[in-house]
Amino acid sequence: EAAVTQSPRNKVAVTGGKVTLSCNQTNNHNNMYWYRQDTGHGLRLIHYSYGAGSTEKGDIPDGYKASRPSQENFSLILELATPSQTSVYFCASGAGGQNTLYFGAGTRLSVL
Amino acid sequence: GQQVKQSSPSLTVQEGGISILNCDYENDMFDYFAWYKKYPDNSPTLLISVRSNVDKREDGRLTVFLNKSGKHFSLHITASQPEDTAVYLCAAGGGATGGNNKLTFGQGTVLSVIP
Repeated sequence: EAAVTQSPRNKVAVTGGKVTLSCNQTNNHNNMYWYRQDTGHGLRLIHYSYGAGSTEKGDIPDGYKASRPSQENFSLILELATPSQTSVYFCASGAGGQNTLYFGAGTRLSVL
Repeated sequence: GQQVKQSSPSLTVQEGGISILNCDYENDMFDYFAWYKKYPDNSPTLLISVRSNVDKREDGRLTVFLNKSGKHFSLHITASQPEDTAVYLCAAGGGATGGNNKLTFGQGTVLSVIP
């Protein structure tokens, strides 16, 4: 079973502050993804990565940066958090050549 | 625009009945289609998937039907049970050749199975 761990699980941030969401996977998957889940929108892709050192923009990248310093770790960075970024964020990983994604437990972020 | 759409935000089914969840997509390049299940405060997990070279796949009580010409796929759950109550997310993507397994998800349908 693929293991994807997100931290923190819950976060309250202030508007204008910097927030970093972390994701670690122990299955040596090449591909990692950050999605956000909002009512009425399902899961929307923010950033993704095909391996250490690479990051790609997803469908809604504005206001977010991503960092993939190693095969195992993928971070999502909100440099200047806004209330519109209040959401549940999911990290996922997948092996190259296979379509199945394995999701972490999610991070609930509230920006006040 | 929304490339993958679930037009029904919610569905209520009697226990023992058939649940039918629908998904439409726009991108002709999609050739992988999946359904994920999500309980509240839990992560989405893969239920069943199908590639574009088949139009149907069964797995126990679950069946995925794919209609490529209509850009539509559906999930049928027979003998629905209260524990099937969850959010169901459809997803579509390109082939995983070359390593790309990026998925586009629909908005989700909340299925409620009532005793």
